[in-house]
Amino acid sequence: GAVVSQHPSWVICKSGTSVKIECRSLDFQATTMFWYRQFPKQSLMLMATSNEGSKATYEQGVEKDKFLINHASLTLSTLTVTSAHPEDSSFYICSAEPSRGYNEQFFGPGTRLTVL
Amino acid sequence: GQNIDQPTEMTATEGAIVQINCTYQTSGFNGLFWYQQHAGEAPTFLSYNVLDGLEEKGRFSSFLSRSKGYSYLLLKELQMKDSASYLCAVRDNQGGKLIFGQGTELSVKP
Repeated sequence: GAVVSQHPSWVICKSGTSVKIECRSLDFQATTMFWYRQFPKQSLMLMATSNEGSKATYEQGVEKDKFLINHASLTLSTLTVTSAHPEDSSFYICSAEPSRGYNEQFFGPGTRLTVL
Repeated sequence: GQNIDQPTEMTATEGAIVQINCTYQTSGFNGLFWYQQHAGEAPTFLSYNVLDGLEEKGRFSSFLSRSKGYSYLLLKELQMKDSASYLCAVRDNQGGKLIFGQGTELSVKP
């Protein structure tokens, strides 16, 4: 099956710092990747759609200057949380849709971000 | 607008059958997915329906009625490890993004 990895799996940082999260498709190419945020006991909320070689498409209410997304290759997308604050603490999950052969998206294991 | 509804919680007994319903109203439709998610982990794919009818895969089956905006996930021969959150998601037909319901927390008891 298709495997998606995320790094780091968890991170603790001080308020005001920036954190970069990587999402990689390990055995397939993905022209499109998605970034989600999930608060405790809640469902996944789509933050943005990341397209290789072009700008990300952000969902309404998501600040694009705060959540920087770069999809530089067909196997890597990064999410940078800039000037993180405690309210940004959450579980961030990426998913990737293979360019061919599958109907579903494959999810990474998630990154637990805690901002002190 | 986009709206996907599922029950918040359900409880069932080990060995029994449980049906989790999902109703949706979305501006576009390009398939409905069911995912299982254990606490602190990423969702794992269970099923995909794009045409009306029943899709069966082992102990799990999923049904779709596009005219009614309705789907259900059927879990048979429940096991304790089936205790998890079950997420219903609709894929739109513009860009392929998934819109998730709030998830159904299933507790399987002995």
